[in-house]
Amino acid sequence: GIQVEQSPPDLILQEGANSTLRCNFSDSVNNLQWFHQNPWGQLINLFYIPSGTKQNGRLSATTVATERYSLLYISSSQTTDSGVYFCAGDNTDKLIFGTGTRLQVFP
Amino acid sequence: GAGVSQSPSNKVTEKGKDVELRCDPISGHTALYWYRQSLGQGLEFLIYFQGNSAPDKSGLPSDRFSAERTGGSVSTLTIQRTQQEDSAVYLCASSSGPARPQHFGDGTRLSIL
Repeated sequence: GIQVEQSPPDLILQEGANSTLRCNFSDSVNNLQWFHQNPWGQLINLFYIPSGTKQNGRLSATTVATERYSLLYISSSQTTDSGVYFCAGDNTDKLIFGTGTRLQVFP
Repeated sequence: GAGVSQSPSNKVTEKGKDVELRCDPISGHTALYWYRQSLGQGLEFLIYFQGNSAPDKSGLPSDRFSAERTGGSVSTLTIQRTQQEDSAVYLCASSSGPARPQHFGDGTRLSIL
């Protein structure tokens, strides 16, 4: 099956800093998605992005499908951005999740 | 409803008992997924329902696990003869169709004593 690698595994930022999270896939996927799991365990869908670039406020994502990777950009980070960021995808309809990037933003 | 609803939010049971977990998807969503999240295994796919098609059961870890979806809406995940390794958070998601954004419920935290 498809393997999903995320980097870095952990990230510590001061409020206001920018960051880039990366997701690599071992094979082509057709339903790539980014999620944020907040400290209460809720999984929030950030982007559905099988290819191209999308932006939503301070967050943006880019997927280069031909090279099997995706990037999540967080600008001007806030303490509420803390949590775990997961990318997930597959070439079927289910999602295979990476192991996540744990982000801590300090004031 | 406004979001995916799961019940119960927490379940504690003794080893060997059967448990049923419920998921109410977003109204109108034809696709429904079950995943589980545990410390050792991360987030893993269990089963997927799409409309009236046969479900994709490829992620179910053993024949003690089963799920059904009645009337194309509510789904129940059943675990028979629970084992301690079944302890995890069971998450349900729904989407408006295949290869569409998946939206997750808050999960059921299952603890097997």
